[in-house]
Amino acid sequence: GAGVSQTPSNKVTEKGKYVELRCDPISGHTALYWYRQSLGQGPEFLIYFQGTGAADDSGLPNDRFFAVRPEGSVSTLKIQRTERGDSAVYLCASRSSGGSYEQYFGPGTRLTVT
Amino acid sequence: AQSVSQHNHHVILSEAASLELGCNYSYGGTVNLFWYVQYPGQHLQLLLKYFSGDPLVKGIKGFEAEFIKSKFSFNLRKPSVQWSDTAEYFCAVDNQGGKLIFGQGTELSVKP
Repeated sequence: GAGVSQTPSNKVTEKGKYVELRCDPISGHTALYWYRQSLGQGPEFLIYFQGTGAADDSGLPNDRFFAVRPEGSVSTLKIQRTERGDSAVYLCASRSSGGSYEQYFGPGTRLTVT
Repeated sequence: AQSVSQHNHHVILSEAASLELGCNYSYGGTVNLFWYVQYPGQHLQLLLKYFSGDPLVKGIKGFEAEFIKSKFSFNLRKPSVQWSDTAEYFCAVDNQGGKLIFGQGTELSVKP
């Protein structure tokens, strides 16, 4: 079956602009995660959804970052008033609810804030 | 707070050499442990995982890892590396609560 997909693959935006990054998880996966990976670092957790609700948003760096998953499938990560420090690869992962803790990652969206 | 430490940032080996990448984590409770690999231009893929049972786990492509609870370690090994193993390797842990905590990664370069 299809894996996790993310769009766009690349996004260049100007400082201060608003961006939306989309994640389409594996069909049937109830858990969805967002991570951010800066150059030379491992992925850092941002937020985790179980169904439609955010089960853990402790990784969101500040209130400029927000994520939704209104129907329990596709999720959108929203960043307001982007800053150059937001430049990174944003990764999405999904996991089934069947007891496996394995997360499946998408290809990521490379965000560049100029 | 939980953390994961990978001891080597960049490892360079010749083909057929043996590989061991170190990983230590800090968390006192029950954890699940993972090694992910990212080949050039590709997304993160699961290499192997430990949830419970035999502490020596085998993954894809001849990789294995050993969980040593007393040392909070989960080192990755491969007896004989190939050029195609050139990639970045990430150790990760979760506390069965969902989110993964990753190490900073080890870049492996294998010379043919």
